[in-house]
Amino acid sequence: AQSVTQLDSQVPVFEEAPVELRCNYSSSVSVYLFWYVQYPNQGLQLLLKYLSGSTLVKGINGFEAEFNKSQTSFHLRKPSVHISDTAEYFCAVRTSGTYKYIFGTGTRLKVLA
Amino acid sequence: EADIYQTPRYLVIGTGKKITLECSQTMGHDKMYWYQQDPGMELHLIHYSYGVNSTEKGDLSSESTVSRIRTEHFPLTLESARPSHTSQYLCASSVLIPGQNNNSPLHFGNGTRLTVT
Repeated sequence: AQSVTQLDSQVPVFEEAPVELRCNYSSSVSVYLFWYVQYPNQGLQLLLKYLSGSTLVKGINGFEAEFNKSQTSFHLRKPSVHISDTAEYFCAVRTSGTYKYIFGTGTRLKVLA
Repeated sequence: EADIYQTPRYLVIGTGKKITLECSQTMGHDKMYWYQQDPGMELHLIHYSYGVNSTEKGDLSSESTVSRIRTEHFPLTLESARPSHTSQYLCASSVLIPGQNNNSPLHFGNGTRLTVT
């Protein structure tokens, strides 16, 4: 069965510092990978996705992620965070041939002034 | 932009009441989903639909039911609400991307936060 692991439940970081949010998945078949962001009292918004092709994908708000098949990881990075990046970030996976999306438990990013 | 709408945004009701959470999307997406979200937990899929008159239970056991009579509408009903149903409910939709053998990412509504007293 598929699963998504986000080991860090909370990540505090100072403004303008770099950040990496980790995501690992388990699946024996081809997968599509996603990162979503959730601001307070809102639904989830797509940050970026990996479907195929280049393993480095760029998303909105300066975020990027790298798909590493051998390590089954899809870590999210940003070189310099802003206060406005404070939010909850969810990693998700969909297995090829299905339309069901499996989510991780989320990582709360708190950017400090 | 909110192309998928959920009402109400907040709801506080007493135990035993019947409630329906509304979800509508204007994008013509064929696939729709209901997720339950609790703090510190992954989003749990409770129902999904791949088209009109098609509904399936998700991975998380739920006492709710859904219907899909129209493409754009996917309401979720609790016949008798209990305090254990207190949670945030998120509706989402997706569609097969034209010209590609792939499905779009999920588009989410803003959620309904339900409190059962």
